[in-house]
Amino acid sequence: DAGVIQSPRHEVTEMGQEVTLRCKPISGHDYLFWYRQTMMRGLELLIYFNNNVPIDDSGMPEDRFSAKMPNASFSTLKIQPSEPRDSAVYFCASRWGPGELFFGEGSRLTVL
Amino acid sequence: AQSVTQLDSQVPVFEEAPVELRCNYSSSVSVYLFWYVQYPNQGLQLLLKYLSGSTLVKGINGFEAEFNKSQTSFHLRKPSVHISDTAEYFCAVSDGGGATNKLIFGTGTLLAVQP
Repeated sequence: DAGVIQSPRHEVTEMGQEVTLRCKPISGHDYLFWYRQTMMRGLELLIYFNNNVPIDDSGMPEDRFSAKMPNASFSTLKIQPSEPRDSAVYFCASRWGPGELFFGEGSRLTVL
Repeated sequence: AQSVTQLDSQVPVFEEAPVELRCNYSSSVSVYLFWYVQYPNQGLQLLLKYLSGSTLVKGINGFEAEFNKSQTSFHLRKPSVHISDTAEYFCAVSDGGGATNKLIFGTGTLLAVQP
């Protein structure tokens, strides 16, 4: 398996623009997580899904952020409108049940 | 909710010296603990985990950690580090004590191995 695949790896955009980050989890995994990493706040859990259903979105910063998982092999994290303080590395991770959590290589977002 | 504290933001150490990275967690009836490593510009990779059983857990790359319930600690150790061990290390706890629950990460410790 190719592991957790995220795209884009790098995104530079201007304030106010819509940003969509994509994730393909490892096949067969039933949990999917979105994390955000910044120097100031470290790794923050934004939202996670189990069997495509959002379980806990308490970490989503505000209404500008939304996440979907239309099927077992695809998830998106959308920011609309984006702001400079959203600049961070966004990680997607997946696992099967209580097993090891596998991370993607991250999407580095810069909002100017 | 569970929380994890990594007191050391950075640990400098010379090559071939031993190292200990500290991690303390908030108390719970049952707890699952993890250590992850992040190399530059990469995602996190599991080093080792404690779910139950022996309190001494061995992981990849020669690392080990000891679960200490009385001190609510899960410190990571390696007897002899290499330059290639330079990375950010994260301690994590499973929120709610269940293995299928979300992971809460500490703020990370940068291990800087010097020649």
